[in-house]
Amino acid sequence: DVKVTQSSRYLVKRTGEKVFLECVQDMDHENMFWYRQDPGLGLRLIYFSYDVKMKEKGDIPEGYSVSREKKERFSLILESASTNQTSMYLCASIESGHSNQPQHFGDGTRLSIL
Amino acid sequence: AQSVTQPDIHITVSEGASLELRCNYSYGATPYLFWYVQSPGQGLQLLLKYFSGDTLVQGIKGFEAEFKRSQSSFNLRKPSVHWSDAAEYFCAVEPLTGGGNKLTFGTGTQLKVEL
Repeated sequence: DVKVTQSSRYLVKRTGEKVFLECVQDMDHENMFWYRQDPGLGLRLIYFSYDVKMKEKGDIPEGYSVSREKKERFSLILESASTNQTSMYLCASIESGHSNQPQHFGDGTRLSIL
Repeated sequence: AQSVTQPDIHITVSEGASLELRCNYSYGATPYLFWYVQSPGQGLQLLLKYFSGDTLVQGIKGFEAEFKRSQSSFNLRKPSVHWSDAAEYFCAVEPLTGGGNKLTFGTGTQLKVEL
């Protein structure tokens, strides 16, 4: 069974800090995604990656960057955290192409910026 | 740009009653269609998906969804709701080609079940 693990369930940081959210998947999936979830807005795509060292912007990349040095790990970076980045962050992975499989999600990291 | 609309933000049903959650999409061609469920404090779990073929799709936990091309809809149904179905439900679409497996989500429907 596919396992997507997000390193922290809850995280509290201060304004201006550099914040790292980590995501690891154990199924050798090529594609990985970071979403942000806010009430009334659903899930919005921040960044995604098709392979190691490859990344593409999603719909709301401002204020974020990502790193994918190894295939199984996809990190989301808040360069200088701000209060409007308080949110739930979800990571997902999927085998590339259309293999009749859905995206698999982690349990999320609830991030609070004070 | 493609979009997904879930017109009901909140729905309350009594346990044992039937349920229908609405989802409409706007896209040039029929995309892949998904329903996910999120229990409090959890990630998203796939309920069912439509890729092609039979337009009535069966999923887990007794849920089903019907794809209607003419209405650009993919509504989720359950004949008899259980208290444990209380959660948030998300409809999502993925383009058939060139989308890189990217999903576009609706804004979600929060389901409350009255005992």
